[in-house]
Amino acid sequence: QQQVKQSPQSLIVQKGGISIINCAYENTAFDYFPWYQQFPGKGPALLIAIRPDVSEKKEGRFTISFNKSAKQFSLHIMDSQPGDSATYFCAASFSNTGKLIFGQGTTLQVKP
Amino acid sequence: EAGVTQSPTHLIKTRGQQATLRCSPISGHTSVYWYQQALGLGLQFLLWYDEGEERNRGNFPPRFSGRQFPNYSSELNVNALELEDSALYLCASGKYRNTGELFFGEGSRLTVL
Repeated sequence: QQQVKQSPQSLIVQKGGISIINCAYENTAFDYFPWYQQFPGKGPALLIAIRPDVSEKKEGRFTISFNKSAKQFSLHIMDSQPGDSATYFCAASFSNTGKLIFGQGTTLQVKP
Repeated sequence: EAGVTQSPTHLIKTRGQQATLRCSPISGHTSVYWYQQALGLGLQFLLWYDEGEERNRGNFPPRFSGRQFPNYSSELNVNALELEDSALYLCASGKYRNTGELFFGEGSRLTVL
């Protein structure tokens, strides 16, 4: 099973709040889990990524939490800002296949 | 450093025609990836080229094809266009085997009438 399931589909958060986006996968052969951010009219941009041997990775206001046993990972955006309003995609990949499996995306709106 | 560049930005074709989309990767990147972003379908992997060869392809019919040139730029060809081929086609580049860290261009919007 190569799907990556992402939720919620859309999210509205007040400025300064925490945005949480969740993803789940089935295939334990996945070995790289990136998150991408996409603004309207732009291509996706790599935000942060994690490998399954690490349970958490933090970069600034963005944190990935990874639960290998549950086959789930999530993105936390602390102190959310209106400029964070975008679509976020989780993804998973197999080494040496050149293929990223993307979740369906979450549209985040941060209200001022 | 220049990012991934794609052309054309927009392309309008009619059913049955052929479309050619072009991509220039980031300097130093040998791998080029093509993805389709269709409304309601998310991002779907199309093709992966590295060192001039097709390394992997997604679940798309053979009328989707492409190639990579010696300078690592790439083109995607879509033959016998169908209405459902209307989508944003995204090109990304990366270093070989580093398949997660992809750098995407802004895409080519293909509309099939």
